[in-house]
Amino acid sequence: QSALTQPASVSGSPGQSLTISCTGTSSDVGSYNLVSWFQQHPGKAPKLIIFEGYKRPSGVSSRFTGSRSGNTASLTISGLQAEDEADYYCSSYAGSSASFVFGAGTKVAVL
Amino acid sequence: EVHLVESGGVEVQPGGSLRLSCAASGFTFDDYAMHWVRQAPGSGLEWVSLITWDGDNTYYADSVKGRFTISRTNSKNSLYLQMNSLSPEDTALYFCVKGGVDVWTEPLDHWGQGTLVTVSS
Repeated sequence: QSALTQPASVSGSPGQSLTISCTGTSSDVGSYNLVSWFQQHPGKAPKLIIFEGYKRPSGVSSRFTGSRSGNTASLTISGLQAEDEADYYCSSYAGSSASFVFGAGTKVAVL
Repeated sequence: EVHLVESGGVEVQPGGSLRLSCAASGFTFDDYAMHWVRQAPGSGLEWVSLITWDGDNTYYADSVKGRFTISRTNSKNSLYLQMNSLSPEDTALYFCVKGGVDVWTEPLDHWGQGTLVTVSS
């Protein structure tokens, strides 16, 4: 049950796009298109923004897009806004261990 | 609207036990799997445990296996986490999270606000 690998932090200016990577293994990200992404503002509960790799729950902005290539999933935030400043976590089903695994989180700063 | 309210978090000594509860509303509780996820202070999220809709199957992270027990009472729309042999490494905010009808393929889509467990002497 090893954690997925995410960059500790990324930053961008308002209006720009940025991408957060989430690297796993062939036992989790690489085998199942079941990656979720969560946004967490300070002191708040996480919020689901992407599931099954690329799908958005109702009400989530289309500025958030998910994708996957091999063992790496990615979250792209386009048209960066101040409200996007938060921590972002990826998660995947890990079939070989019948569990879920999270990344360590990426802090997004809007400059 | 889905509403999840955790309770039971307190400060406890190492080696102690604690039972967390989660009251669910706004959805048909006994249709869905439920999870516990924790977050140590200043750290990331860690999946802890999962229980199927009927309580017949449970799954645990290696870090808590043999010490924690997840359970549910569908007639009371309630989820529980019995925590034994607690250590300082268990100190965290514990979130109750709604899963899917399909245990593994559907996402953790609604989260409570969490209850804080502190293990300290």
